[in-house]
Amino acid sequence: GDSVTQMEGPVTLSEEAFLTINCTYTATGYPSLFWYVQYPGEGLQLLLKATKADDKGSNKGFEATYRKETTSFHLEKGSVQVSDSAVYFCALSEKGGSEKLVFGKGTKLTVNP
Amino acid sequence: EPEVTQTPSHQVTQMGQEVILRCVPISNHLYFYWYRQILGQKVEFLVSFYNNEISEKSEIFDDQFSVERPDGSNFTLKIRSTKLEDSAMYFCASSGYKANEKLFFGSGTQLSVL
Repeated sequence: GDSVTQMEGPVTLSEEAFLTINCTYTATGYPSLFWYVQYPGEGLQLLLKATKADDKGSNKGFEATYRKETTSFHLEKGSVQVSDSAVYFCALSEKGGSEKLVFGKGTKLTVNP
Repeated sequence: EPEVTQTPSHQVTQMGQEVILRCVPISNHLYFYWYRQILGQKVEFLVSFYNNEISEKSEIFDDQFSVERPDGSNFTLKIRSTKLEDSAMYFCASSGYKANEKLFFGSGTQLSVL
């Protein structure tokens, strides 16, 4: 079945460092891809998404590009802030079929001042 | 921004007992979901609900589980006879006009089965 694999955490960075969180997927079709973020004490919220190959999703300085050839959707940010400390989840959804999101395990990011 | 609320935030129960987890989705949303995350594992889909009926369920969602939208605002997940392996964080979510377009999640109910 469909699956998502994220890099293992936790990830600890200093403020203004460059962030990459790797995400790869396996799917039978051409899924939509998502990054969700969970701040402490809150629910998951959509950070960005991409619905077709070569699309770039972006929000709050975060970016991810849908790479069909490498089945990847890596999350990047050029300069992280303490307020970016959260758990980040990569997910996919098959178009035109199942309604479910398939998630990765999540990667905990801590940014130190 | 509107939010999904879940109660309680923590629930402790004895094995074999029934539990009901409660959620209030965003008021004009049409699609409702339950997901769960066992500690250290992936967030897993349990069930989706649309137009007052289950539209999809996973193999986890067996006869011990049921969902209900009793009054047009609440959305509940019932586990009839809890097992140790039901211990997990349970997330409710809702979305607006299209399934999976953008899910809004609650902050979760941590269920501990002793």
